[in-house]
Amino acid sequence: DAGVIQSPRHEVTEMGQEVTLRCKPISGHDYLFWYRQTMMRGLELLIYFNNNVPIDDSGMPEDRFSAKMPNASFSTLKIQPSEPRDSAVYFCASSQGGGDAEQFFGPGTRLTVL
Amino acid sequence: DAKTTQPNSMESNEEEPVHLPCNHSTISGTDYIHWYRQLPSQGPEYVIHGLTSNVNNRMASLAIAEDRKSSTLILHRATLRDAAVYYCILGGFFGNEKLTFGTGTRLTIIP
Repeated sequence: DAGVIQSPRHEVTEMGQEVTLRCKPISGHDYLFWYRQTMMRGLELLIYFNNNVPIDDSGMPEDRFSAKMPNASFSTLKIQPSEPRDSAVYFCASSQGGGDAEQFFGPGTRLTVL
Repeated sequence: DAKTTQPNSMESNEEEPVHLPCNHSTISGTDYIHWYRQLPSQGPEYVIHGLTSNVNNRMASLAIAEDRKSSTLILHRATLRDAAVYYCILGGFFGNEKLTFGTGTRLTIIP
C-alpha cells in the first residue's frame, strides 16, 4: 500500500485566497484525521471522521476552515479566506477500527500564506 | 484531556538502551498510553501503546507503572535513525479516538 497520500506537498498562496488540501487514506481504513503543526502550538487535531461522518470538529479554529469526506477514499480541508497565521504543516492520518488503533500519518502539506 | 509530562530533551549514545519517561498522574481508567515519534521533516509514526500491562514490539518496549501514573518507553539499542521527537499521549479509546500531542522529548543519538 502506498500509505496516506497528501497533495499538494507544498502550497504558497497569498492572504485572502482559498486553499484546498487533499488526502487519500489507506484503503480499508474507516477513520480519517486532520492535524495541524506549528512551532507555537505544536501538533493539534482539527477534525476526524468515521465512515465519512465528522465525529469531532472541536479543533477547527474558525469558520474559515471546513473539511469534507465525500467518500471513503478522499477528504479535503479547505481554508477560505486564508490568513498568514494559517501557515503550518497540515497532516492527514487514517486508522482502521478506531479506538486505540494505530494512526498512519501522511507526509504532510506545508502551507505558506503570504 | 489528561496531560502528560515529558523531559524536553534527552541524549543517548548509539547502540545503548534508551529509557524515555512519561508522567501522567491524571490518567483515567479508559485511557490508553500511546507513543508516537516524529523524525525530522516527516509525519508522526506509531511506536507502541498499552493499557495496563507491559508491551513489546519490534521497535520498542513499553513499561507501565502498576498505578498507571507513569510509563517508560524503552529503545533497546538506539541507532542514529532513532533520533526524533517522541510523544507520550493518553486517550485513544472507542468513542474518543482523539490523540492530544504534547511537546514531546527530543532524543539525540550520539555516534
